[in-house]
Amino acid sequence: DTAVSQTPKYLVTQMGNDKSIKCEQNLGHDTMYWYKQDSKKFLKIMFSYNNKELIINETVPNRFSPKSPDKAHLNLHINSLELGDSAVYFCASSGNSPLHFGNGTRLTVT
Amino acid sequence: QQQVKQSPQSLIVQKGGISIINCAYENTAFDYFPWYQQFPGKGPALLIAIRPDVSEKKEGRFTISFNKSAKQFSLHIMDSQPGDSATYFCAARLTGAGSYQLTFGKGTKLSVIP
Repeated sequence: DTAVSQTPKYLVTQMGNDKSIKCEQNLGHDTMYWYKQDSKKFLKIMFSYNNKELIINETVPNRFSPKSPDKAHLNLHINSLELGDSAVYFCASSGNSPLHFGNGTRLTVT
Repeated sequence: QQQVKQSPQSLIVQKGGISIINCAYENTAFDYFPWYQQFPGKGPALLIAIRPDVSEKKEGRFTISFNKSAKQFSLHIMDSQPGDSATYFCAARLTGAGSYQLTFGKGTKLSVIP
């Protein structure tokens, strides 16, 4: 069973569109995260959620918004997509154990 | 501002050789230092981790060496194998962080040639 699963795996869309990426974890972890990996492989945290509360919000444009319907899910909504949003987005979770990542969603904005 | 500096950016090692990747940090408030391994098309996976009260940790062919005074830590892969070819990230976590919010280095792409 996949511990952290993301959908879709690939997402190709045009500039200006709105899209969502879904994430689910079955590890019972309390905290979930979104990381962005750029073309140079640099990993940067975007958000984290603990018990439905946003506890980290780095310098991310407000076009990006995390939504957590429950402890096991953290979805990422992106409005008015821009070319620079093209990247791989990773969902992750942690509890008393270190970060466990999903396999990523490759977003391509054309 | 990059808080964890990783080098080299890429590394080519022959099969059976030793791969060494180095990281340095400045913030003494970091309390946990993991290494992650990432294969193409996959998410990073925890490989090995160390806390600053320990100078070395070994798990199989993988060893972390930690120098608290120099604020440096390194990953050594002994008897490197082609299957070790991947991108490796060092990371650090701030003391008191209730979660595993990690700051990552920029990664090292390791290629092990037969």
